[in-house]
Parts: sequence; structure tokens; C-alpha cells
Amino acid sequence: DAMVIQNPRYQVTQFGKPVTLSCSQTLNHNVMYWYQQKSSQAPKLLFHYYDKDFNNEADTPDNFQSRRPNTSFCFLDIRSPGLGDAAMYLCATSRPGGGYEQYFGPGTRLTVT
Amino acid sequence: AQRVTQPEKLLSVFKGAPVELKCNYSYSGSPELFWYVQYSRQRLQLLLRHISRESIKGFTADLNKGETSFHLKKPFAQEEDSAMYYCALTGGTSYGKLTFGQGTILTVHP
Repeated sequence: DAMVIQNPRYQVTQFGKPVTLSCSQTLNHNVMYWYQQKSSQAPKLLFHYYDKDFNNEADTPDNFQSRRPNTSFCFLDIRSPGLGDAAMYLCATSRPGGGYEQYFGPGTRLTVT
Repeated sequence: AQRVTQPEKLLSVFKGAPVELKCNYSYSGSPELFWYVQYSRQRLQLLLRHISRESIKGFTADLNKGETSFHLKKPFAQEEDSAMYYCALTGGTSYGKLTFGQGTILTVHP
């Protein structure tokens, strides 16, 4: 089945230790998104790619960066995780002309110790 | 700025009872509204969108521009409807950026 895959599902990192979360998709969608969802809060968009065109949300901290080496893969890099970065990170995809429906991965739960 | 408000964090009903999950939005242009659902241990997925004007799993939602609302309704709730429901808006910003409401946890009791 075509889908959005996130690895790992659970990630534990230490305060200040760089961490990378990965997302892959078999849907061949142009657009990929990264959301941060803290406990009991709504998903919040961090950034998105339209093909290789990167779009950062204005309030996304500089500590968060992303890479998209090809259509299928997208990475979220947290350069120096703080305790406040502990959250669920959701990857999603969509395609132009698809009515903006977004297809979500299962998420990666990040714990910072 | 665009904003989505779901006033109820928790909603409990009994099986067979009608259910309405409220959603209000703030947006100056013509928004596109969605309901996303997350069942236990499953990923977030689209339930329905206002432009489709369809009924999915017995749920419907009507966009009321005068009241800036997009409430989700089902006449007879089922236990399998228990889930987290998010109302979301895209307002014509690039690439369908979604703004989510805080979500409502629906519990349907037997």
C-alpha cells in the first residue's frame, strides 16, 4: 500500500545532542510537511517542501532544519534539542490538485532527557 | 491570521445518540475546511472536507459562512466513532497549509 512511513517511531535523545527524524513516502507526492504536536495540543506546522522548494514557518525555531534529498525522503534535524522539543513529530504529504488532502505518517515520539 | 476553535476538549455520548462536534474558524478570505480523525493507535486521516459535501461514516458537516462554523454531525453515534477529531482550515496559502483546532476527544459509550 502506498503510504507515509516515519522512522523511528520512538526516539530518545539527550539534551543538546543532535537528532534526525526521517520520513519516506511511496505516494510520489510533491509536497511534504513536518508538524510538531505537543501533548494535548494541535499539530503545528514547522515547514514544508514543494518539490525542492523549502518553506519555513515564521515561528519555527532555527534549531529545526529539514532536508529533502529526493521526492521520497524528507528529514527533520534538531540541532540542539531542548526539553521543550519533546513532542510527537508528524510527517505528511499532499499533491497539487488533490484538494489539499494530507496523508499523515504515524509520527515519531521524541523524548529529550 | 487564521484560527480554528474547537470549544469542547471532551465529548461523551451514548451509542445511538446524536453527536455534534463544534468548530468555529476565523479567516478573512474563503477557507477550505476539513475534519481529520485519529482513531486509537492509528494515524491522523482525513474524514471529510466541505467542498465534497459528502457523508463519510454517517458524518456530515456544513460550512456556515455567516456563523463561521463547520460543525461535524452524526445522527446516531456508534462505539467505533470514539476517536480524536480535529477541525482544520486551509486558507489559500501556498501548498495547502493546514491550521488545526485543538481537537475534541469523542467517547461513545455502549
